[in-house]
Amino acid sequence: QQPVQSPQAVILREGEDAVINCSSSKALYSVHWYRQKHGEAPVFLMILLKGGEQKGHEKISASFNEKKQQSSLYLTASQLSYSGTYFCGILNYGGSQGNLIFGKGTKLSVKP
Amino acid sequence: DAGVTQSPTHLIKTRGQQVTLRCSPISGHKSVSWYQQVLGQGPQFIFQYYEKEERGRGNFPDRFSARQFPNYSSELNVNALLLGDSALYLCASSSGQGLADYEQYFGPGTRLTVT
Repeated sequence: QQPVQSPQAVILREGEDAVINCSSSKALYSVHWYRQKHGEAPVFLMILLKGGEQKGHEKISASFNEKKQQSSLYLTASQLSYSGTYFCGILNYGGSQGNLIFGKGTKLSVKP
Repeated sequence: DAGVTQSPTHLIKTRGQQVTLRCSPISGHKSVSWYQQVLGQGPQFIFQYYEKEERGRGNFPDRFSARQFPNYSSELNVNALLLGDSALYLCASSSGQGLADYEQYFGPGTRLTVT
């Protein structure tokens, strides 16, 4: 039931773009994205809800494909500050409360 | 405004002992969730409390328990500690009841080491 994230790790140069994917084996109610820097707490990036509503930072974009049961996070014109591990968390359909299940994370490294 | 605070920062316990971790949510937030994060993995959901009632429980043994107080702070208790309980324990608060459409704000965590 844990979402699968891909890739596991990615290395970018400043200014390059990246896409991080999150897939579920069950129908999704919502997808949450968080970034965690080494030794720090996860920080909220975005929530995507079934039906198309999104909440999050203006500079972050993401998609939510209900049919494919997956979400993608788009990082464009990457900056050094984008480095960290990105986690997607899912609530399965019908689970508006209860468990938020996180994937294993995608480690992003942005080099000068 | 202060963010989510957790205490203690670090803790070393021996197998079989009991531990209590504490969390204070952001002012005005009534929901507190607890997560366990093992090195190299994503946070794993343990409990959610809203208005002092348990709203969600993850797949953890009964050795794990929690409660929320009238001021919305929370405690996580773990009994009969095992080596495998060594992890970073994160507390997160949010303003809404459901986890689906409310962002969570995480505290810095408590690093628990069981020897």
